[in-house]
Amino acid sequence: RKEVEQDPGPFNVPEGATVAFNCTYSNSASQSFFWYRQDCRKEPKLLMSVYSSGNEDGRFTAQLNRASQYISLLIRDSKLSDSATYLCVVYTGTASKLTFGTGTRLQVTL
Amino acid sequence: DAGVIQSPRHEVTEMGQEVTLRCKPISGHDYLFWYRQTMMRGLELLIYFNNNVPIDDSGMPEDRFSAKMPNASFSTLKIQPSEPRDSAVYFCASSLNWKTKETQYFGPGTRLLVL
Repeated sequence: RKEVEQDPGPFNVPEGATVAFNCTYSNSASQSFFWYRQDCRKEPKLLMSVYSSGNEDGRFTAQLNRASQYISLLIRDSKLSDSATYLCVVYTGTASKLTFGTGTRLQVTL
Repeated sequence: DAGVIQSPRHEVTEMGQEVTLRCKPISGHDYLFWYRQTMMRGLELLIYFNNNVPIDDSGMPEDRFSAKMPNASFSTLKIQPSEPRDSAVYFCASSLNWKTKETQYFGPGTRLLVL
């Protein structure tokens, strides 16, 4: 089993739609969680950290479910500019390791 | 701030040749990371440094790969001899303190093609 798993997509949604991605992780000792965004042929950039109580940043909401070992990212009112690959990232302190998922590709269309 | 700087941006070489990738981290950042990204395997951590000292090189594929950080503002990743399976995008990233959730800032990457 991969340490961090994501549905590769692509998720094709119309502008204005709400879309959600999930990511599962295998190490229950994982401590920190992040979503990064990567545009085509560009470098990954931090989108948001994921906190235990869940957190929101504008149209983006991140949730953590430790019991089921998954994190989610919800995007409301999708924009064309949201089209990108979203990488789930997990930090495991005991292994001192940051592990990236392979990403979920989102395509927002008119 | 110029961000993380990597060179070259593109490299095409023939199998067996030595390849050297370069990185200048953001000034003041204590951590430097080398990643490799392929379609099949995604983004993989190869090695990271803290205060110029290699901390974890368990991701380095084999002895053909080596990395150095002679000072706080410069690091190299060397592949010798290169093989076609080394073709990938190599990213360098730096961070103040990633273990306390500080962001890792990525450079633009080096696209390597080994023929």
